[in-house]
Amino acid sequence: NAGVTQTPKFQVLKTGQSMTLQCAQDMNHNSMYWYRQDPGMGLRLIYYSASEGTTDKGEVPNGYNVSRLNKREFSLRLESAAPSQTSVYFCASSVGDRGANTGELFFGEGSRLTVL
Amino acid sequence: DQQVKQNSPSLSVQEGRISILNCDYTNSMFDYFLWYKKYPAEGPTFLISISSIKDKNEDGRFTVFLNKSAKHLSLHIVPSQPGDSAVYFCAARVRLYSGSARQLTFGSGTQLTVLP
Repeated sequence: NAGVTQTPKFQVLKTGQSMTLQCAQDMNHNSMYWYRQDPGMGLRLIYYSASEGTTDKGEVPNGYNVSRLNKREFSLRLESAAPSQTSVYFCASSVGDRGANTGELFFGEGSRLTVL
Repeated sequence: DQQVKQNSPSLSVQEGRISILNCDYTNSMFDYFLWYKKYPAEGPTFLISISSIKDKNEDGRFTVFLNKSAKHLSLHIVPSQPGDSAVYFCAARVRLYSGSARQLTFGSGTQLTVLP
């Protein structure tokens, strides 16, 4: 019963390098999200996908791109990493807008990224 | 401009006593409020929620109170246990339009420490 799985858990990059964070969920959820957590800032939404085939910008999308590969997978790409992107990244999923639900999100364990 | 604020970065409470975590919000369009709990090196996990049409929701040792006129909610934990030591995030949801993903806006978190 994996839930939401993120890879890698840790990554160190040099400024200008690119990388992709992978996320997969096995709960048949419609919606998926990428958040970043920074000290004193809480969790801020980067991008989200309401359903397979759609993606939308969140609060802090600059410097990132996403791909909803299929219903299970939602990846986050940094094309040219910057030190300001040093953070802990969380992928999450939710049932979505089908039926009554509270918008409860299920989170992965996080990916700690350091950009030097 | 933070729409969800948790003004206390930390709180220490003696085991067996009540823990009260507070959260203020500014957006009148929030229709659901949630509390998440986060342990180190793990993703946040859902704890309890409340609809904006209610003023109280209780689940075991956890009770959330909502004061809409003051735009304030609080989480009460009674009795507090050492295992409750974690970061608690307050979150709020705005339903943008039918079919949209249920985006959550998070506060910055409060570190609760329950002392044995």
